[in-house]
Amino acid sequence: AQSVTQPDIHITVSEGASLELRCNYSYGATPYLFWYVQSPGQGLQLLLKYFSGDTLVQGIKGFEAEFKRSQSSFNLRKPSVHWSDAAEYFCAVGAKGGADGLTFGKGTHLIIQP
Amino acid sequence: DGGITQSPKYLFRKEGQNVTLSCEQNLNHDAMYWYRQDPGQGLRLIYYSQIVNDFQKGDIAEGYSVSREKKESFPLTVTSAQKNPTAFYLCASSILTGNEQYFGPGTRLTVT
Repeated sequence: AQSVTQPDIHITVSEGASLELRCNYSYGATPYLFWYVQSPGQGLQLLLKYFSGDTLVQGIKGFEAEFKRSQSSFNLRKPSVHWSDAAEYFCAVGAKGGADGLTFGKGTHLIIQP
Repeated sequence: DGGITQSPKYLFRKEGQNVTLSCEQNLNHDAMYWYRQDPGQGLRLIYYSQIVNDFQKGDIAEGYSVSREKKESFPLTVTSAQKNPTAFYLCASSILTGNEQYFGPGTRLTVT
């Protein structure tokens, strides 16, 4: 069965500092990997996705993520955070070519310090 | 604009009552999903549908029911059998052969 682990429940970063959110997955085949962001009381917005090819993927809002097969990781990064980046971030894994639901991590709550 | 709509945004019900949450999409997606979100739990899949008139149980289907009579619509009924129905409910959709899911704004259900 596929699973996703986000080891950090909360992360606090100063505005302007760099950010890395960790995501580890367990999946038998080549996974589809996603990062979503959720503001309080809102739905989820897709930040970026990895299906195949280049292991460094660029997303919206200045985010990027790197797929490392050997480490089963798909960490999210941003070189300089803004106060508006404060939100909940979810990593998710899906089955290649499938249409059943994604498996989500429990989320990382990002707090931005002024 | 294409997207997913969920209504209402907030819903209040008395214990013992069934309640139906609406989800409509105009993205022409074949697959639709319902998730439940609780604090600290991430998202858990309730039901999903890959095609009209067909749907499958997810990880936590007990106490819920769905229908898929139209491609655009995938309503979720929270029945009185659901022991702990208060939660934030999210609907999503995707094209059949891909996994990129698009989410609606959610419905917060409170049962007292």
